[in-house]
Amino acid sequence: EVQLLESGGGLVQPGGSLRLSCAASEFTFSKYGMSWVRQAPGKGLDWVSSINSAGASTYYAESVKGRFTISRDNSKNSLYLQMNSLRAEDTAIYYCAKNGANTISGVDQWGQGTLVTVSS
Amino acid sequence: QLVLTQSPSASASLGASVKLTCTLSSGRSGYTIAWHQQQPGRGPRYLMTLNNDGSHNKGDGIPDRFSGSSSGAERYLTISNLQSEDEADYYCQTWGSGIVFGGGTKLTVL
Repeated sequence: EVQLLESGGGLVQPGGSLRLSCAASEFTFSKYGMSWVRQAPGKGLDWVSSINSAGASTYYAESVKGRFTISRDNSKNSLYLQMNSLRAEDTAIYYCAKNGANTISGVDQWGQGTLVTVSS
Repeated sequence: QLVLTQSPSASASLGASVKLTCTLSSGRSGYTIAWHQQQPGRGPRYLMTLNNDGSHNKGDGIPDRFSGSSSGAERYLTISNLQSEDEADYYCQTWGSGIVFGGGTKLTVL
């Protein structure tokens, strides 16, 4: 069974930084694109960023472009999201998600999420 | 602009069927989408990928009660023999230069 386990969430002050990690198992991680999707309290799903299988192509929502960086380490079966210049509106549960292809595509597996709270 | 439109809410009785709709923006009728379920207090769960011809591939363990169909720019999720655990938010999702989610439909099982 595919497993995606996020970590790194927590409370951070506005303007601060946080790095999320996602440990993947039970599938060939290096063959699939991966994404981060977030959900603010009481709101719907909101795409943040995606990366292709090799890590060579990255994609960002306009709301995070220039502040967040997605990366992956295929030798460690791990996905990352470096979040800088955090704002109150970045407060959300952040989900790691597996894409169904080697690039940006439909999500076919979800992690359980990690909560990021941006507040002073 | 790639946009997915969903009705905010739907309701149906226990044991009945319900058909949820996701509408692709103009000129995008050929797009494939995915359907996801989010039960209260839980993370999302992948249900299926649905193509423009109505063919679909379901995720592991998704009951036969869940099926998909397509007509033009409309993508449908039909849930038959509704159970209490089907009460959830349902999101459609597609992709282009980025990933796009619909606003979600909150399904109430009466």
